[in-house]
This record gives sequence, structure tokens and C-alpha cells, in this order.
Amino acid sequence: GNSVTQMEGPVTLSEEAFLTINCTYTATGYPSLFWYVQYPGEGLQLLLKATKADDKGSNKGFEATYRKETTSFHLEKGSVQVSDSAVYFCALSSAGTGKLIFGQGTTLQVKP
Amino acid sequence: GAVVSQHPSWVICKSGTSVKIECRSLDFQATTMFWYRQFPKQSLMLMATSNEGSKATYEQGVEKDKFLINHASLTLSTLTVTSAHPEDSSFYICSAISLIGDRGRQPQHFGDGTRLSIL
Repeated sequence: GNSVTQMEGPVTLSEEAFLTINCTYTATGYPSLFWYVQYPGEGLQLLLKATKADDKGSNKGFEATYRKETTSFHLEKGSVQVSDSAVYFCALSSAGTGKLIFGQGTTLQVKP
Repeated sequence: GAVVSQHPSWVICKSGTSVKIECRSLDFQATTMFWYRQFPKQSLMLMATSNEGSKATYEQGVEKDKFLINHASLTLSTLTVTSAHPEDSSFYICSAISLIGDRGRQPQHFGDGTRLSIL
């Protein structure tokens, strides 16, 4: 079945450091891929998405490229801020149903 | 755009009571809404898929008589936790997909969640 695997957290970085959170997936067909962010006590916010191979999603300095050959969708940001501290979820959407399959989430803590 | 409102954000009630949680899409119509449960420091667990005008589809292991879902309109779905007990305490989150476009390609838009505490 379809699945998403994220790197284990927590990830602790200093402000302005480079961020990578790895995400790989297993899926039949051509899923859409998403990154969501969850701040403490809140729901999830869509961060970025990609719907086909080689698409690059980007938002607020975050980027991720849909790599079909490596079945990956790694999240990157060149310079993190304290306000980026949150839990990040990688997810894939099955065609037709719209159901999301989430990774386990990666906690990012950015220190000043 | 694509705002989903969830109400209430926090509820505390006695064991045995029923609690209703509302999920509304404010600026778009949603044929499909989803209900999730999230335990502390864990990912989201899909409970059910709610389609407007039809019965909800529950995931394996979720008691449909315990968690009643109604999707009466294109902008409103409700989750009722019946005869709630302390083990039902959790963070419940809803999401919605826009009516327009391929459901498999559209992002889900999430509410802010409801913290349910059963005493």
C-alpha cells in the first residue's frame, strides 16, 4: 500500500542554518505530494505542494521537488528562523479519493 | 482563501455526555470533508471520510456508532462523540477539499482542531 516516511526528529538548528527534512514515499500511480506545517495547539497549514514529477513547490522560502526516480520530496529552506519552529508533515494524496497519507511528522526547533 | 472553521476549539465535559464538533468551509464548497484524530506527538489518524448527502465512510477500527458524522451541506460537517469517556479525550481535526478540481490533486484545508477532554 501507499506510505510516507519522514526523517526522525527532533531537528534542532540555529537561526539562519540550512534546513533539510527528508521524505520518501511508496505509491502506485502518480500521487500528489504535500508538505503541511503544524504550530503548537493548531491544525495543519498547507506549506507547499507538487502534483507531478519534477514539479517544485515553494512557499515562504521553503522548497521541495517531486523526484519520481528517487520517490522523494525533501523539504529545504536556506535560512531558518525561530518562527519556523513547528512540526512538519509530508503527505501524499491518492488519485480520486483525496485521502491523505501522512508521514510521522518531524519536529523542528530553531534556536536564536 | 480556502478557510476552514472548526468549533469549538476546546471542550471539557463529563463522562457519558455527547459532544458535537462542527467543521465549516467558509469561502468554498466542499464535497468531501475528513475527520482526524491526533494523539500527543503523533501523526494524524484518519477516522472517516464525509461526503455531502451520503453516509460517511469510516476507517477500519473506528466505531461508527461512537463517532457520528453528518455532512448536511456543502459547507458543513459535524462529528458527534456519543457517550464520551476519558479514552475519547484527544485532539480532533477536520479538513475539506474544494468542490472544484480533481480530489486527488487538491490540497486538504484544515481546521484549527478541537481539544476534547472528558473527565
